[in-house]
Amino acid sequence: QSALTQPASVSGSPGQSITISCTGSSSDVGGYNYVSWYQQHPGKAPKVMIYEVSNRPSGVSNRFSGSKSGNTASLTISGLQAEDEADYYCTSYSSSNTVLFGGGTKLTVL
Amino acid sequence: EVQLVESGGGLVQPGGSLRLSCAASGFTFSNYWMHWVRQVPGKGLVWVSRINTDGSTTNYADSVKGRFTISRDNAKNTLYLQMSSLRAEDTAVYYCARNKAAVADYWGQGTLVTVSS
Repeated sequence: QSALTQPASVSGSPGQSITISCTGSSSDVGGYNYVSWYQQHPGKAPKVMIYEVSNRPSGVSNRFSGSKSGNTASLTISGLQAEDEADYYCTSYSSSNTVLFGGGTKLTVL
Repeated sequence: EVQLVESGGGLVQPGGSLRLSCAASGFTFSNYWMHWVRQVPGKGLVWVSRINTDGSTTNYADSVKGRFTISRDNAKNTLYLQMSSLRAEDTAVYYCARNKAAVADYWGQGTLVTVSS
């Protein structure tokens, strides 16, 4: 049960777009459309931003979008805002009937 | 309003046991799978376990298999995590989360478990 691979950090200026990658294998990310993305601000519980690869829950800004190609999923945030500064985690269902999280990516808005 | 409130965390010695609870309200608890996820302060989220609606199916991360047991009482709208043979590396904030469409859509605020002598 290896964690999914995410970059440790990404940064961007207000108004710019950034993309966070999440790499797994054919047994998890590549094998199922059950990739989710969570945002976590310090001291707060995680909040789901994307589910089933590219779906946004109601109330989540359309600046957040998700996609997948092969064994790699991606979260794109467009029109960066200061409030987007947070940690982001991807997750995927895996063939071993478990759930895998990525190691997390710290987004800094410059 | 969906609410999940964890309790039962605290300080426990290595090798000890602890039972966490997660009280659910604002939704039909018995209709949802539930998860436990943990996070070492300052580190990333790690999935621990999940349970189906009637408790007949459970899954665990390798790191806790054989030591932790997830269960639920649908009459009491409560999720549990029985933890035994605790190790220092089990020290973390433990979150319960509701599962909907293969995503944890609501999370509690977490309860801190510290394993130390």
